[in-house]
Amino acid sequence: AQTVTQSQPEMSVQEAETVTLSCTYDTSENNYYLFWYKQPPSRQMILVIRQEAYKQQNATENRFSVNFQKAAKSFSLKISDSQLGDTAMYFCALKSGGSNYKLTFGKGTLLTVNP
Amino acid sequence: DVKVTQSSRYLVKRTGEKVFLECVQDMDHENMFWYRQDPGLGLRLIYFSYDVKMKEKGDIPEGYSVSREKKERFSLILESASTNQTSMYLCASSLDRALIGTRLRSNQPQHFGDGTRLSIL
Repeated sequence: AQTVTQSQPEMSVQEAETVTLSCTYDTSENNYYLFWYKQPPSRQMILVIRQEAYKQQNATENRFSVNFQKAAKSFSLKISDSQLGDTAMYFCALKSGGSNYKLTFGKGTLLTVNP
Repeated sequence: DVKVTQSSRYLVKRTGEKVFLECVQDMDHENMFWYRQDPGLGLRLIYFSYDVKMKEKGDIPEGYSVSREKKERFSLILESASTNQTSMYLCASSLDRALIGTRLRSNQPQHFGDGTRLSIL
């Protein structure tokens, strides 16, 4: 069975600073995909960034980047130059490469960006 | 852009009622999913469908059923609503795989609807 653990239920950061959200996972597969999703208050969940396990290079999307440590099964999200609009619940998710279907989600980290 | 539309943002029903939650996607996605989201528990998969009339149980299917008669529509049914089914329900869809460059990639992300906040009284 796959598991995803987000150990920080809540975090806060000052506007313009950098914050890192942690995620660890467990899977017996060698081929899998990792995602970070963002859910702003009362708004739609959207994809922030994704990483293929076979790629050594860490994915980046503008101010968002990941630190993917495959041996440690760690997949943290770094948000640089935090903005008020980054306030949201962030979910880490894992998908098996052998299945096109099922995402396993962590329980989420509520990030608050303070002015 | 992908559009996943859930029929209601807020819904209030009574214990024992049969409840239908509807979800429609406009991008011809093969896969569709129903999750429930509860504080401290994250998202838990109820059912998913990888083709018309095909369905598979997720992690918490008890008390629910689904219907996929057309590719674009995936319905979640609460056969006899109970108070412990009060929750936020999220629908999602995804491509089975996509051609990126010259390779088929199966890491296609799920696209979510706005959610339905269902209260069972």
